[in-house]
Amino acid sequence: DIQMTQSPSSLSASVGDRVTITCRASQSISSYLNWYQQKPGKAPKLLIYAASSLQSGVPSRFSGSGSGTDFTLTISSLQPEDFATYYCQQSYSSYTFGQGTKLEIK
Amino acid sequence: QITLKESGPTLVKPTQTLTLTCTFSGFSLSTSGVGVGWIRQPPGKALEWLALIYWDDDKRYSPSLKSRLTITKDTSKNQVVLTMTNMDPVDTATYYCAHRTTHMEGSAFDIWGQGTMVTVSS
Repeated sequence: DIQMTQSPSSLSASVGDRVTITCRASQSISSYLNWYQQKPGKAPKLLIYAASSLQSGVPSRFSGSGSGTDFTLTISSLQPEDFATYYCQQSYSSYTFGQGTKLEIK
Repeated sequence: QITLKESGPTLVKPTQTLTLTCTFSGFSLSTSGVGVGWIRQPPGKALEWLALIYWDDDKRYSPSLKSRLTITKDTSKNQVVLTMTNMDPVDTATYYCAHRTTHMEGSAFDIWGQGTMVTVSS
């Protein structure tokens, strides 16, 4: 099984900050990496697919990068609606999610 | 517009079998490349992928839960059914179904249902 490890597990930031979340795979997954945003009581929302492709309708302040085993999700300028939990997911071999990164207001 | 909605019991007893139904619209599960997956989330915990069924009836299961899961589809009814046997309190979670989209570098769950909360308790 491919394991996905996110860091940090939680993060405090302010509106306007630039934020980066990291995801590491236990083996190479090429660019088979997706990012989701989840708000309390809601279903996850796809933000980024194939490591760096922005899902339709997602603001351009969200970006993804990486390949192989190391990936990052960057939010260039935090907005109030971005405070949520973020998950990475690999689709190289079945599917595995990371443990999540909770982004909180400082 | 693609929509999915989960339905099933909100409470099951330990050792019972859970049956959940995902009813969808806006796409056909007989179209090449299409898939529907199930994902769950225990309260306050991370997402866990459970199973996926493809348009051609190919099926994939989480290795850790494979022995307990069965996924089937009814194309005429636009439904996907997930059964999980021998339920335990640790299976208490919100269960989601989701539409799988494919692209050059893998696949993703682009549209999700609202989720259904299942509690396992005697």
